[in-house]
Amino acid sequence: SQQGEEDPQALSIQEGENATMNCSYKTSINNLQWYRQNSGRGLVHLILIRSNEREKHSGRLRVTLDTSKKSSSLLITASRAADTASYFCATAGSGSARQLTFGSGTQLTVLP
Amino acid sequence: DADVTQTPRNRITKTGKRIMLECSQTKGHDRMYWYRQDPGLGLQLIYYSFDVKDINKGEISDGYSVSRQAQAKFSLSLESAIPNQTALYFCATSAELAGGRNEQFFGPGTRLTVL
Repeated sequence: SQQGEEDPQALSIQEGENATMNCSYKTSINNLQWYRQNSGRGLVHLILIRSNEREKHSGRLRVTLDTSKKSSSLLITASRAADTASYFCATAGSGSARQLTFGSGTQLTVLP
Repeated sequence: DADVTQTPRNRITKTGKRIMLECSQTKGHDRMYWYRQDPGLGLQLIYYSFDVKDINKGEISDGYSVSRQAQAKFSLSLESAIPNQTALYFCATSAELAGGRNEQFFGPGTRLTVL
């Protein structure tokens, strides 16, 4: 079963606009991570936010985490055509194993 | 050179055949994982290994087996392939870092088609 569920499933925006993707999860976590996948390629890690953090930035990426609502958001500012990809959230459980559980992803299309 | 490599990259096979997918890594990580991805969906964990002597089933291990031949090598086998095992298969590695950081590094994937 999927721990994380992304919303929306698909998002289409113009270049230069901001893109926001949301992730909801069900159980307690150690951390939450966002990954990017270009079509048919392997996933690439973007950013990790720990359960005791509320916001994190990396370049044009901003991630928030609300553990009370069990939700996270990924904001990509000033989007570019090259940002077109699928974006997945993944949660690491609070147990010792901490393997990742992936959501079903948001397909982002940035139109030039 | 890529840190995580997978062979083959594409494979077409027939129902009932035995298939092995191989994964090698040069990152020096102890932890390795096998996932499958179906169209429009996220990744589902098949098996994972935290070291050479540690193998664990994931959420969808039925019909699959694995072998951790060395720290750097983790292979996935389909003993008798069936059409609903047609999917994109990914290998990944990770290291347990300070603060519980465990980001994963993925191979390029193997596209498997079972006819």
